[in-house]
Amino acid sequence: LAKTTQPISMDSYEGQEVNITCSHNNIATNDYITWYQQFPSQGPRFIIQGYKTKVTNEVASLFIPADRKSSTLSLPRVSLSDTAVYYCLVVGEAAGNKLTFGGGTRVLVKP
Amino acid sequence: KAGVTQTPRYLIKTRGQQVTLSCSPISGHRSVSWYQQTPGQGLQFLFEYFSETQRNKGNFPGRFSGRQFSNSRSEMNVSTLELGDSALYLCASSLDLRNTGELFFGEGSRLTVL
Repeated sequence: LAKTTQPISMDSYEGQEVNITCSHNNIATNDYITWYQQFPSQGPRFIIQGYKTKVTNEVASLFIPADRKSSTLSLPRVSLSDTAVYYCLVVGEAAGNKLTFGGGTRVLVKP
Repeated sequence: KAGVTQTPRYLIKTRGQQVTLSCSPISGHRSVSWYQQTPGQGLQFLFEYFSETQRNKGNFPGRFSGRQFSNSRSEMNVSTLELGDSALYLCASSLDLRNTGELFFGEGSRLTVL
């Protein structure tokens, strides 16, 4: 099964860019990568999804190198409200479609 | 458009009892998946249902079961509760999980086993 590895935590300051890298070494050809954000006592919320290269939406960018063995979620100019846990999820055959979430990265944004 | 609704939001049970949790997906979504979240183990996949059929199952004992109805609503049941079953149980819906990785989560049902 696809196993994802993320840093446990990282601190940042308001206005800075936060980059979180997730490794997924045994990602399969047709698998795609999705990132979620979770606040305490709430369900995770979809942020962005990608297959290769770069994807950007109104809240984040996702960078995926050619070998696809890792991905980096980039949060531009974070604010205090971006303090949350961020999960990387590989969906597809390598994961057995079992939706294996990584341990998540706890991001703390300081004033 | 209404989101994913889970009931009950909070419940307390004692060891040995059983519990049933309910999940109403977003209208039109046919895939419902369930997760257990604990501080020590993170988000763990329980099972996924699509059109009333269980398509996939995580590594949980048989005490954990689920089903999906024709209107896509889903229930999960945990029998013979153990202290370690205390957790936040989340359900998520999607149009078809195998075609999109976008899951829409409910607020969860927080179960405490005493």
